[in-house]
Amino acid sequence: QKEVEQNSGPLSVPEGAIASLNCTYSDRVSQSFFWYRQYSGKSPELIMSIYSNGDKEDGRFTAQLNKASQYVSLLIRDSQPSDSATYLCAVNKNQKVTFGTGTKLQVIP
Amino acid sequence: EPEVTQTPSHQVTQMGQEVILRCVPISNHLYFYWYRQILGQKVEFLVSFYNNEISEKSEIFDDQFSVERPDGSNFTLKIRSTKLEDSAMYFCASSERLSNQPQHFGDGTRLSIL
Repeated sequence: QKEVEQNSGPLSVPEGAIASLNCTYSDRVSQSFFWYRQYSGKSPELIMSIYSNGDKEDGRFTAQLNKASQYVSLLIRDSQPSDSATYLCAVNKNQKVTFGTGTKLQVIP
Repeated sequence: EPEVTQTPSHQVTQMGQEVILRCVPISNHLYFYWYRQILGQKVEFLVSFYNNEISEKSEIFDDQFSVERPDGSNFTLKIRSTKLEDSAMYFCASSERLSNQPQHFGDGTRLSIL
């Protein structure tokens, strides 16, 4: 089982729609969870961090964490073409961050 | 906004040569990291560093790799004898006081081994 698992996509959504990105992780004692956005050829850019069960909202982004199910998600409301990128789920345990392979999101104008 | 800076942006090296990649973390950050990303693959953890010593390292970080904080601002990754498979983007990252805080990434160094 992969440590951090994401659907590679591509996930295509029309402009203005909600994009839903999912991630599961295998280590139950993981401590913190992050979503990064990576444009092609660029470095990962932090979008959201979440540490406890429930929802966390920041502008158009909402991160959801369910530790019992070992599941993290990211919702992007009112998707824009500029949101088209690869979204990386990252899980932290004891100063070691493990990334998923990323989900490629395409927002169609 | 403070940022992590990496130099050089692109390094071309002959196989077997030593290479040093440089990073300046964000000034008030205490935890430092190196990652690599082979073209088309996922970001892979190499090493974390705190209080002048390695905290965690991955299986990738073998005896060919070393890290150093030679002064109060720089953080370096050295690869002693490069192999073709070391060709990748290398990212430096840093985070604040707590080890589980978000990590902020530099723009990366593209390392090409010939």
